[in-house]
Amino acid sequence: AQSVSQHNHHVILSEAASLELGCNYSYGGTVNLFWYVQYPGQHLQLLLKYFSGDPLVKGIKGFEAEFIKSKFSFNLRKPSVQWSDTAEYFCAVVRNRDDKIIFGKGTRLHILP
Amino acid sequence: DVKVTQSSRYLVKRTGEKVFLECVQDMDHENMFWYRQDPGLGLRLIYFSYDVKMKEKGDIPEGYSVSREKKERFSLILESASTNQTSMYLCASSLYVQGADQPQHFGDGTRLSIL
Repeated sequence: AQSVSQHNHHVILSEAASLELGCNYSYGGTVNLFWYVQYPGQHLQLLLKYFSGDPLVKGIKGFEAEFIKSKFSFNLRKPSVQWSDTAEYFCAVVRNRDDKIIFGKGTRLHILP
Repeated sequence: DVKVTQSSRYLVKRTGEKVFLECVQDMDHENMFWYRQDPGLGLRLIYFSYDVKMKEKGDIPEGYSVSREKKERFSLILESASTNQTSMYLCASSLYVQGADQPQHFGDGTRLSIL
């Protein structure tokens, strides 16, 4: 069965540190990839998405993610985090043939001021 | 901007009650979804729907049913609520574009407690 793995359940960083959150998926075919973010008390919202083309995708608030097909990975990065980036981050994958989206279990990110 | 509205932000019910969670979206999206979100388990898909009167089971449909009588509304029903259904319930919708899955837009969630 298709699965999505987020390696870190909790990440604590200081402001201005660099961030990388790992995401791996198990399906070998063509996929669409997403990162969603949920700020405290708010609804889930799309951070960025990859459908095709340039594997380096830029999203909102300075986030980016790189699709590496050979590694089945779609890691999220930000060069310098801010306190306002404190949130839970979810990676998600959809196969083109199958509209069912699969979410990872999420990574809680705490940024220390 | 897409708006997905869930009828209640917080709900408390008793074991054995029939519970209705309502979700409405205003962007004429074909696809609608119900998830539950639990700490350490992420989002788990309960049911989804691609069109009016159509429904498909997700990963954890047991104990739930859904109704989609109108395109904009997708209801989740707990036939006989149990304590293990205490959770945060999220509704989402997305536009159907053949061959290109579109991002989902989420509601604010309903935190349901079953006593």
